[in-house]
Formats: sequence, C-alpha cells, structure tokens
Amino acid sequence: DGGITQSPKYLFRKEGQNVTLSCEQNLNHDAMYWYRQDPGQGLRLIYYSQIVNDFQKGDIAEGYSVSREKKESFPLTVTSAQKNPTAFYLCASSDRDRGYEQYFGPGTRLTVT
Amino acid sequence: SQQGEEDPQALSIQEGENATMNCSYKTSINNLQWYRQNSGRGLVHLILIRSNEREKHSGRLRVTLDTSKKSSSLLITASRAADTASYFCATVNSGYSTLTFGKGTMLLVSP
Repeated sequence: DGGITQSPKYLFRKEGQNVTLSCEQNLNHDAMYWYRQDPGQGLRLIYYSQIVNDFQKGDIAEGYSVSREKKESFPLTVTSAQKNPTAFYLCASSDRDRGYEQYFGPGTRLTVT
Repeated sequence: SQQGEEDPQALSIQEGENATMNCSYKTSINNLQWYRQNSGRGLVHLILIRSNEREKHSGRLRVTLDTSKKSSSLLITASRAADTASYFCATVNSGYSTLTFGKGTMLLVSP
C-alpha cells in the first residue's frame, strides 16, 4: 500500500448524511486521485488534483466534493446528493516524472443504509 | 468512460502454468500500465510500458504492446497460488495525466 493511508477501512452511514473519507500520502507526490470501485465495474475516476489548491472533476464527480489544502492530504466528501454511495473508495497519488504510475491506498468500504 | 477492456474476464489455471491476459484500448496512448489487486485491497503497480516500447519484462511478468492493434498482453509465467488476484490494465492517454482503467481479469491459480 506504499506511503498512502486511508481511513477508516470500513464506514457505515445513514442515508442523507454527508461523510468524509481521509487520504494522506508521504511520497511527496504532486498529483492525487479518488476512484470508486463497484463489483465488475473496474475503477472510475471521481476527482483528481495535480497541485495544491487545484482539482478537477473526473468521470463521476456528481454528488462528491474534495479539497486540496495541503500537498499530503486529499479528503473526499460523499454528499447526500450522491444517489448510490455504497462502494469501495480508493485514493492514489502519482509522480509525473514516472509516467503517472499510481500508488494506491488500502481503500475505504462505505456502506450507506 | 472506460478505455481498456481486459480479456478474459476470468481465468482459472493450475500452479506452474502460464497465465495470459489481454487488454484492448481505443485511443492514442502515452503509456499503458498493469496493476494487480488482491480481494478488498488497494491496487499495486506491476509494470509500465511506453508507447514506443514493444516488450518489457519484470521477474515472471512479460508485457507486450502493439500500438497498431491498440492492444497489450500480460504474461505471468510459472504461476503460483499467490498470484491469485484481479489484474487491470490502465492507459495514460496522449495529452492527459489521468489513468483510464479496464474492468479487470480475475485470475485464480489452484495449487
């Protein structure tokens, strides 16, 4: 899992509540990413950030928000607007000089009931 | 939208056999990468091959890239039970800095 930590490993929430997933890296990477993984769907990009205080929407950004106030941290908030929030969430970071090879955290499994 | 499509979706072999997985993609790429994921865990980078490379080796892994056919293959030689995992290809498209993942191949290696 490299130098990326995600917490918590499992998270349970009631429908209608916002929830924030943590992602921290100590690899000194400029770029960070959030993915969602559903069974049989592979990974889909939610948001990414190439530099502090800047981020871009990925393929499925609706219902999610992020911030990038520090190089090491890229938290993801799953809002109540996200229609199907139950999923496995993966955070990654990369170094442009290595062809954007990505280092992944261990993931957070979010269950919303 | 997903760019890479792995084939087969699932593969079951015996220890000691070779495993071959294929990946096809649609647009021009900068590089193609293969990742491995054990059940319920994060992905681990295996190998990166650039668009101007045709073949790359790393231990028991061999990756080929055919840009004219927009396809890549991952060969795991002399497989072990510990190789049981899902394997994903991902492309960095020309002019972009993000990865686009396929849906993966689930490999089961039986002792």
